[in-house]
Formats: sequence, structure tokens, C-alpha cells
Amino acid sequence: DADVTQTPRNRITKTGKRIMLECSQTKGHDRMYWYRQDPGLGLRLIYYSFDVKDINKGEISDGYSVSRQAQAKFSLSLESAIPNQTALYFCATSDVGQGVLSYEQYFGPGTRLTVT
Amino acid sequence: GENVEQHPSTLSVQEGDSAVIKCTYSDSASNYFPWYKQELGKRPQLIIDIRSNVGEKKDQRIAVTLNKTAKHFSLHITETQPEDSAVYFCAAAPNDYKLSFGAGTTVTVRA
Repeated sequence: DADVTQTPRNRITKTGKRIMLECSQTKGHDRMYWYRQDPGLGLRLIYYSFDVKDINKGEISDGYSVSRQAQAKFSLSLESAIPNQTALYFCATSDVGQGVLSYEQYFGPGTRLTVT
Repeated sequence: GENVEQHPSTLSVQEGDSAVIKCTYSDSASNYFPWYKQELGKRPQLIIDIRSNVGEKKDQRIAVTLNKTAKHFSLHITETQPEDSAVYFCAAAPNDYKLSFGAGTTVTVRA
């Protein structure tokens, strides 16, 4: 779905480095999410945001921080990357409000992050 | 928090046969149960969802059933086709946004 984009798509970094993953959407959705995917563990929620002033921790927020710069942009930061943060990271968006027919979350293409 | 268990982790079926994936959840407050499909190298996409006030929902060859008393729900795919080969994730949530996902089931459809 070209409406949710992530940059970079692939990144290799070293332990201790700071790294930012970016997500942009043109769907006009208020809700945005960051997940990480690991083999055998499914998708786990890191942070979610309902608007630029509302950010919430998810299941596994330790070691991560986020910034909602605008309705359309939600960034995930690893302040000091460690090898067990090697994973596939997905951003997602969803709609909200009265009359919404679907709770579908629309995922971006993913960012494959390797921490050496 | 919510804990979702998904079985089996892998499933191989002959083309044309049915596939069933089962999930259990722990939080009785969960009331929204979506299923996502992830093809190799692609992003997850919603294929069907069900809310707690409904026991079964169908969409062409796929169907989902929910048993709230037993806290389990299942995905059924009939007349499987090669394009059904993918990883399928179930999820549960007490609302529509804070999803807890299962570990995934890799489905392979043999020609």
C-alpha cells in the first residue's frame, strides 16, 4: 500500500549507535503504530499514537522512543542500538471515529534493521 | 496484558483441501479479533475480522469462528489455492487498536 511509507527500507548499524526509522502516511488516519516482527514471535506493539499530543507505550517500549511530528509522520528511535533489536520493523495506521466501517490497520513495507 | 497463542506454527495442505488455524486468548475483555495475511517479503494485510457480538463471519473461501466462552477463535480456508501460501497472524484486542498478535502460522499449499 503506497499510502504508508517507511524509510529506510534496510539499515545496518553498530551497537551503541542512535538510529531513527521514519514513517509517513497519506491516508489521513489519526492513529499510528510501530511494531517489530521477530521469527516465531509474531508482531509486537512498541508504541502507538492517537494524535500529535497522544503517545502511548505498547508491549515492548524499553529501549525505544517515538516522535509524532505531524498527523502524517511518526518516527521510531533507538537511542543506543543493541544486537537484540535486530528485527523487521513495521509502521501502521488506522482510522478512528464515528461511522468508521473498518478497524483495519494498514502496514507500511517494513524496515529491516540489523545491529552488529 | 493479553496473551494470544496460535496453532499450528506450520501447516502444509494439498491444493483444494481446507486449512484451519486456531488461536486462544487470555483476556476476557477482548472483543475484536482480526486475521492478517503476510506473503513472503510483503507487509501484513487484513483478510477478515470478527467482533465479539458475532459468532461466525464468512468472506468467500475464508471464515472465522469465535467461541467467547472458551476464549478461542479459528480461521478456516476452504478450497485452498497456491496464492493462499503465506504466514497468517491472529490477533485479539479489548478495543480496535491495541492488538496482541499470535506467533503466526506458515501455510504452504502443495500443488
